[in-house]
Amino acid sequence: AQRVTQPEKLLSVFKGAPVELKCNYSYSGSPELFWYVQYSRQRLQLLLRHISRESIKGFTADLNKGETSFHLKKPFAQEEDSAMYYCALRTGGGNKLTFGTGTQLKVEL
Amino acid sequence: DVKVTQSSRYLVKRTGEKVFLECVQDMDHENMFWYRQDPGLGLRLIYFSYDVKMKEKGDIPEGYSVSREKKERFSLILESASTNQTSMYLCASSERAGLLYFGPGTRLLVL
Repeated sequence: AQRVTQPEKLLSVFKGAPVELKCNYSYSGSPELFWYVQYSRQRLQLLLRHISRESIKGFTADLNKGETSFHLKKPFAQEEDSAMYYCALRTGGGNKLTFGTGTQLKVEL
Repeated sequence: DVKVTQSSRYLVKRTGEKVFLECVQDMDHENMFWYRQDPGLGLRLIYFSYDVKMKEKGDIPEGYSVSREKKERFSLILESASTNQTSMYLCASSERAGLLYFGPGTRLLVL
């Protein structure tokens, strides 16, 4: 069965420091990976997807099939990046997503 | 602008009550989903629907049922609410696989 693991419940960094939110998945086929974000008092929304290979709000994520990882990175954290981040996996061409347990990012001044 | 609305932001019910959570989307999306969100457990899929009157079980369907009589509306039903169903419930819709639009959530407290 597919699984998404986010090992950190909470990640605290200082403003301007690099950020890496870890995500590992287990799936034997060809995966599609996503990052979703929930800012305080806002609804959950898509941040980025691996097939787009784009940078959103300075965040990037590269799919590493050898390590089965899809870590989210940003070189310089900003206060407005504080939020809950979820990694999600789509498998087998289906419509549903399997989410990880989430990582709360706190950017301190 | 994409819009997914949920009937209540906060709900308090008693154990054993039948509870209805309503979700409406205005984007003509085929797919709709119900997740519950719990600290430390993330989002877990309860049920989803890929067409009117069609439904599929997610990862934790026990104690829940759903109804999709119209394309824009997807209802989650707790037949007999229990305290372990206290949670945040999130509805979502999608047209393209993986690209979900979420509602604001319903925080349900079962006493």
